[in-house]
Amino acid sequence: AQRVTQPEKLLSVFKGAPVELKCNYSYSGSPELFWYVQYSRQRLQLLLRHISRESIKGFTADLNKGETSFHLKKPFAQEEDSAMYYCALSTGGFKTIFGAGTRLFVKA
Amino acid sequence: NAGVTQTPKFQVLKTGQSMTLQCAQDMNHEYMSWYRQDPGMGLRLIHYSVGAGITDQGEVPNGYNVSRSTTEDFPLRLLSAAPSQTSVYFCASSDTPQAEAFFGQGTRLTVV
Repeated sequence: AQRVTQPEKLLSVFKGAPVELKCNYSYSGSPELFWYVQYSRQRLQLLLRHISRESIKGFTADLNKGETSFHLKKPFAQEEDSAMYYCALSTGGFKTIFGAGTRLFVKA
Repeated sequence: NAGVTQTPKFQVLKTGQSMTLQCAQDMNHEYMSWYRQDPGMGLRLIHYSVGAGITDQGEVPNGYNVSRSTTEDFPLRLLSAAPSQTSVYFCASSDTPQAEAFFGQGTRLTVV
């Protein structure tokens, strides 16, 4: 069965510290992986996707097929990064599955 | 740009009542979906549609119906509301299931 696991419900870091939000997936085929973000009082929006291999707002994520992971990283967290982050898996069918989400809190 | 519009933003229902959550998009996207967001469980797919006249069930379809008579609209119907359906509901659309999904603002539903 396809599954997305985000093991941390809450991650709290200080401003300027590195941050890593973990995402592991379960899927036997070729996955399409995404990170979505929901800032306070805003709608859910795409942060980045693995096939574009780009850095958005300083965040990067690398697909590791061996470890079936797609962790989101940023070297220096900012207060405005505080938000809810969701990892999502599209399996090539018609379903996109989301993880439970990780709330990132960046302290001043 | 309107994008994906959901109405209403808030709703309180009594157990057993029925209602329809509206979702409309103006991006000519074929793929639309409904999710519910519950604490600790993330977003769970209720129903989805790959085009007008075509719908299918997601992970948690029980108690909900959908239809897709036009490309633009994808309403979600609660047939007989139950307290377990208290949640935040999100509608999303995309060009394809693998493309970026655009989300509505959400509907916060409380069933008492």
